Amino acid sequence: QQQVKQSPQSLIVQKGGISIINCAYENTAFDYFPWYQQFPGKGPALLIAIRPDVSEKKEGRFTISFNKSAKQFSLHIMDSQPGDSATYFCAAQTGGGNKLTFGTGTQLKVEL
Amino acid sequence: DAGVTQSPTHLIKTRGQQVTLRCSPKSGHDTVSWYQQALGQGPQFIFQYYEEEERQRGNFPDRFSGHQFPNYSSELNVNALLLGDSALYLCASSSQAGTSYNEQFFGPGTRLTVL
Repeated sequence: QQQVKQSPQSLIVQKGGISIINCAYENTAFDYFPWYQQFPGKGPALLIAIRPDVSEKKEGRFTISFNKSAKQFSLHIMDSQPGDSATYFCAAQTGGGNKLTFGTGTQLKVEL
Repeated sequence: DAGVTQSPTHLIKTRGQQVTLRCSPKSGHDTVSWYQQALGQGPQFIFQYYEEEERQRGNFPDRFSGHQFPNYSSELNVNALLLGDSALYLCASSSQAGTSYNEQFFGPGTRLTVL
């Protein structure tokens, strides 16, 4: 059962542009929503995370927008750089320290 | 401060064999979770260990088993390997203490190929 749906599957953005990746979830018990960045041959790296009591969280060029009523959240990468080219995964978790349920991933390519 | 480490980096096995993968958590972490990532897919949760016991388990058969040692390191064992077990196996560590208990940090993974 796909509990976290992620789109798009792939994304091409010009350098300096905004990259937007969207996720939707079904389980209302989820209470922690992290985003991970993964480069080829590497493990996922925690990028930024949000809890449902806030609608937005910003860290540098990365922003999570969260819509609890729609059960959707998104990652915005401002001023996208070629070094941002990677696969991005959204995830969701219930309770403290429990298993992460991942989306299917978005392969981002930032072109010069 | 070393992050999560995993060994070996790569492994090639044949169908029916058994394999053991190892993980050392990030310093200060007491919980280890294992995930399977097939090519082009998101990681899928296998199980989690805390206080040397399996705390949660995903939808994986009993061929997948694990262990956590007193120093918090962990092993993942897979018996009777199938071609479909070929994947990147990821270990993630976290701490049950403090306010950062949700944060899971991943190791580089072990690439398992079953021929």
